[in-house]
Amino acid sequence: QAVVTQEPSLTVSPGGTVTLTCGSSTGAVTSGHYPYWFQQKPGQAPRTLIYDTSKKHSWTPARFSGALLGGKAALTLSGAQPEDEAEYYCLLFYDDTRPWVFGGGTKLTVL
Amino acid sequence: QVQLVESGGGVVQPGRSLRLSCAASGFTFSSYVMHWVRQAPGKGLEWVAVISDDGTNKYYADSVKGRFTISRDNSKNTLYLQMNRLRPEDTAVYYCVWGLGHWGQGTLVTVPS
Repeated sequence: QAVVTQEPSLTVSPGGTVTLTCGSSTGAVTSGHYPYWFQQKPGQAPRTLIYDTSKKHSWTPARFSGALLGGKAALTLSGAQPEDEAEYYCLLFYDDTRPWVFGGGTKLTVL
Repeated sequence: QVQLVESGGGVVQPGRSLRLSCAASGFTFSSYVMHWVRQAPGKGLEWVAVISDDGTNKYYADSVKGRFTISRDNSKNTLYLQMNRLRPEDTAVYYCVWGLGHWGQGTLVTVPS
């Protein structure tokens, strides 16, 4: 089964910009993996921020954006706020037999 | 608004079975793919299973294949997860997810070792 990799932890200053990445053990991440990004705060259910690489839900703050960068999926946070401190997970689609695999998550600290 | 309410969690002995339910409202349930995702205490998210809108196609993570069965009753707007031969490593909060966009609050399943 494929392994999806994320940075274990990152730190960003308030108002700063940070990029989280999501790689695949099978090779480059493409739009065909339909990358998703989720935010989870302690004690809460996850919330979907980005789907299909770069599409946003109505509740996704404008400061979050998704893209493909250097063979990985990327989530960029521009103008970090204290409330963005959370765990972030990516999810990739592979094939019909073993469809979806989560990354291990990135703990983002705003400090 | 969209609501997904999971139920059926609890403490169950290893080797026993449990069925989770997810009552959906606020959208046309029968038109959408539904997922189960779980999270062990203090760990990351793990995708568990997916079912097509009409229930004919089902896919599972290797860790649950052959033990868990996902199903749905579109007449009742309800998603199910039948979990058999439970193991301690199945201990987790189980989330019902509509189309990977909307999440329920989860239900905790505990399988003591």
